[in-house]
Amino acid sequence: GAVVSQHPSRVICKSGTSVKIECRSLDFQATTMFWYRQFPKKSLMLMATSNEGSKATYEQGVEKDKFLINHASLTLSTLTVTSAHPEDSSFYICSGTDGVNTEAFFGQGTRLTVV
Amino acid sequence: AQSVTQPDIHITVSEGASLELRCNYSYGATPYLFWYVQSPGQGLQLLLKYFSGDTLVQGIKGFEAEFKRSQSSFNLRKPSVHWSDAAEYFCAVGDSGGYQKVTFGTGTKLQVIP
Repeated sequence: GAVVSQHPSRVICKSGTSVKIECRSLDFQATTMFWYRQFPKKSLMLMATSNEGSKATYEQGVEKDKFLINHASLTLSTLTVTSAHPEDSSFYICSGTDGVNTEAFFGQGTRLTVV
Repeated sequence: AQSVTQPDIHITVSEGASLELRCNYSYGATPYLFWYVQSPGQGLQLLLKYFSGDTLVQGIKGFEAEFKRSQSSFNLRKPSVHWSDAAEYFCAVGDSGGYQKVTFGTGTKLQVIP
């Protein structure tokens, strides 16, 4: 299957700072990227969907000003957690699709800890 | 709206025993169904998927799943579990395009005992 590389795998940041998570499609053009958040012992919840060159579409209850998503190229999407707080600590996972394959390919996830 | 139910939060099986993880879905049309596995601290790995055709789907690592439309189920099975299968398993249903946003179940944590 296609490869999606997510970086960093783990990050610890201080409360009030911003953190950027990158998601790269290595061997396909990701026309659409999805960002998920996984709470401890919970399932994955879709945060937003982004199409290359367009503004992201956020799911209900997700603060778009706090979770900034950029999808400026067909191989890179970024999620920036702005003014992070301890409650933002979570596991974030991206997935991408080229619009042709009938599945989306997942990154390895990023464990964010805000202290 | 699509939804997925995994009724078993936690399952413990002995190594070498058979395994069945249950999954029920709700979707208005023909569903696109997936099973993913997540090892601790890791991302998701696709085990298998169903879009159409043969209702018995073979996946990686010796897993298979059977789509039963009448029961709205897509249960995952493995005839003989290995210790390395201990992980969290997620059933998921995809949007009409298959590659659109995926709705996940709450997961089943599998423990394998010697």
